[in-house]
Order: sequence, then C-alpha cells, then structure tokens
Amino acid sequence: QLQLQESGPGLVKPSETLSLTCTVSGGSISSTSYYWGWIRQPPGKGLEWIASISYGGSTYYNSSLRSRVTISVDTSKNQFSLKLRSVTAADTAVYFCARQSSSYGFFDYWGQGTLVTVSS
Amino acid sequence: YELTQTPSVSVSPGQTASITCSGDKLGNKYASWYQQKPGQSPVVVIYQDTKRPSGIPERFSGTNSGNTATLTISGTQAMDEADYYCQAWDSSTLVVFGGGTKLTVL
Repeated sequence: QLQLQESGPGLVKPSETLSLTCTVSGGSISSTSYYWGWIRQPPGKGLEWIASISYGGSTYYNSSLRSRVTISVDTSKNQFSLKLRSVTAADTAVYFCARQSSSYGFFDYWGQGTLVTVSS
Repeated sequence: YELTQTPSVSVSPGQTASITCSGDKLGNKYASWYQQKPGQSPVVVIYQDTKRPSGIPERFSGTNSGNTATLTISGTQAMDEADYYCQAWDSSTLVVFGGGTKLTVL
C-alpha cells in the first residue's frame, strides 16, 4: 500500500522559507505514470494546488505562487520537496503531498497533511 | 482559470444529492471529485469525469459536459456528509480546485 508522509517545521517566521519533504513508501517514485504534488488548505478554507513534479524533474507550478515556490525530487531517497519563500501569515495552512496521475491529473494517494503556521 | 461550486447543499437521507462545478469549457478538461471529512485528507471519489476508484460506492457518479461537471450521490447516506471539491486538469490549465461544497445530510 502506497503511503506518503510529510515532514518539516510546524512553525516558520514571516519572510523566511517554508521547507517540507514528502517521503513515499510502499512504491517507487520513479514512474512515468505519475507526478508528485503539493496541495495546501488554509484553516477552514478550500484546497489550493501549489506544484507538481515528475520523477525526471519536469516541474509544474500554480501561476499565483510560481515566483516563490520550488519543487524538487530525490529519486534515491524516494522523496520530493517543497520550498516556499518569503512566507506571510497567509501561507499558514495544512500542506498535503499527493500522487497525481500524469494522464488524467487527479490525486489518488494523499499524505495525512502537516500544519505549518507562519508567525513570529 | 476558475471553478465555481455552490457553497452548500442539503439532502435528506435516501435522496439524491447533486453537486455542480462550473468553469469555462470544463467539458474539454478532465474533472475529478474529492470527498473530505473533518480532520482528514481528501479522498478521490470520481476521476476522469465519470470513473469510480475501487472501494468507492456505486452511489457516487459523475458527468462532465459543456461548462459543468456534476457529482451525483444516489441514496445519500449520513456517512456522505462532507466537503466535496471538484478539480480540473489539462496540459494548459494544469490543476485547479473548486471552492468546495459542504454537503449536509439531514
């Protein structure tokens, strides 16, 4: 059974960089059938896609966040990562990592999510 | 690109719930639907417009045509009470989520 697990600091100061890693277990991240993505959800609000990456390193970004986001993949560790720069309180959210079908775009496996709070 | 969902829908147990998602030429994109219960991660209930993942009850069905995708829950049960999100995808739009619909079963 594929599992995804987010990890990283739960508290980030304003103007600093939010860094999260997603570790994939029970399957390989190296598949042409899937991308690997990050989605966030501010408290009490809806889902917002942030970015996705293929195992080969092709990247896809939400245009509204593109200038502040970097997504990367480490196939040797079966992990992919997110960096969000210059954070503000508006970036406070539960951050989910998920597997995405490269053919039809849906997310079929999700991590449990990790709450990241931006506060001094 | 934006997807619009009605914020809330109410349905009586055993009745049919319809949740809609509107976007420009949405029928030309792939639509999927997610169910999210409080404190949990989203679960895909419909993908590729009409397909159900294994383990999702047959009472969940989907359509996508023109500017509207629809999630239909037939014989709604109390356990179906949740937030539902639509999502569109194509090679140019990439990924967009709708604002979500809170389904109340009462």
